[in-house]
Amino acid sequence: DAKTTQPTSMDCAEGRAANLPCNHSTISGNEYVYWYRQIHSQGPQYIIHGLKNNETNEMASLIITEDRKSSTLILPHATLRDTAVYYCIVLNTGNQFYFGTGTSLTVIP
Amino acid sequence: DTGVSQDPRHKITKRGQNVTFRCDPISEHNRLYWYRQTLGQGPEFLTYFQNEAQLEKSRLLSDRFSAERPKGSFSTLEIQRTEQGDSAMYLCASRTLAGGKGQFFGPGTRLTVL
Repeated sequence: DAKTTQPTSMDCAEGRAANLPCNHSTISGNEYVYWYRQIHSQGPQYIIHGLKNNETNEMASLIITEDRKSSTLILPHATLRDTAVYYCIVLNTGNQFYFGTGTSLTVIP
Repeated sequence: DTGVSQDPRHKITKRGQNVTFRCDPISEHNRLYWYRQTLGQGPEFLTYFQNEAQLEKSRLLSDRFSAERPKGSFSTLEIQRTEQGDSAMYLCASRTLAGGKGQFFGPGTRLTVL
């Protein structure tokens, strides 16, 4: 199973873009990258996923490097409600999600 | 609300007692997952079902743990002879076979074993 590496914590000013990096150097060609976030005491919430191409939805953008060994989640205009733990997950062929410890993002007023 | 629901939201029990949690997935979702999350850690996979069949169990799922999904709809997770180390958040998630947006998680059941 591909493992992911994320910074333990990050700060971002409210209204600015939050860029959350993730390394997944052992990812296989058919494994997707998923991003979830978890606000304190709630279940994880889906944000976005991708395979090779960059993706954008109403919540965020996902930039995957050409070699697929890393990706960046971008929250274009961070708000205080975006304060959460963000998990980068590589979905293996067994369809199991292996969460790491994630990145704790704090949006500062 | 058509999301994943879990019951109870909180459970406090004494060591040695049995507890049972329930998960109701999104109705058209074939796959149902159970995770455990301890403080400061990400969720850890325990087991998953496709319809009523339990297809995989983590080594974290000791003999004291049992999960069922008898009619392919709701699922229960039972812990027998609870230990203090079982104190955690137990999360349920569901998804369709096609996957797409991955797994949809419920709010979790927080278990405290005294």
